[in-house]
Amino acid sequence: EAGVTQSPTHLIKTRGQQATLRCSPISGHTSVYWYQQALGLGLQFLLWYDEGEERNRGNFPPRFSGRQFPNYSSELNVNALELEDSALYLCASSLAEVRQTSYNEQFFGPGTRLTVL
Amino acid sequence: AQSVTQLGSHVSVSEGALVLLRCNYSSSVPPYLFWYVQYPNQGLQLLLKYTTGATLVKGINGFEAEFKKSETSFHLTKPSAHMSDAAEYFCAVSERVKIIFGKGTRLHILP
Repeated sequence: EAGVTQSPTHLIKTRGQQATLRCSPISGHTSVYWYQQALGLGLQFLLWYDEGEERNRGNFPPRFSGRQFPNYSSELNVNALELEDSALYLCASSLAEVRQTSYNEQFFGPGTRLTVL
Repeated sequence: AQSVTQLGSHVSVSEGALVLLRCNYSSSVPPYLFWYVQYPNQGLQLLLKYTTGATLVKGINGFEAEFKKSETSFHLTKPSAHMSDAAEYFCAVSERVKIIFGKGTRLHILP
């Protein structure tokens, strides 16, 4: 069974540009999560999508946005890129919360490394 | 609010020695606790998890962790380190939806 996939592997942009990162969840998973792993800041929760809706959001400005498509894949968009947006962006997926037992096991993709020059 | 503190951003042990990575958490509700490992240029892999039941949890690659509620700790151990254990390890706590990660501990294995 294929795991979570992310594209592209690497992305280089300049300040002010927009970046689009993509994630395909494990088959059967309907929830997708985005995390930012920036140097020195650790892993921080960005966004959670389930059944096409944004369910929760971390402490990030509105220029970080995304969406989930009917096939449950997801896009993360970062507008007006800043140097500090340079990071590894990880996507994770899980079964829908209502079908789980009592915890939310998330399966992670390999990440997209975004470099802002 | 939940939080996770990992003691030591870098830990070095000799091959064959005991590995001990420390994690303390705070949570207002019974926590779900996790340890993830990240190898260079890769995503996160779940090592082990505690949800309910037995407080000593065994994971993959010979790792285990013990949930100690009185100490709010969830330290990760492995009796004998192997060179392939060199990686970054993240302790995490979850309230079912959002996962809060610690800042990570990079484990170095000395030959």
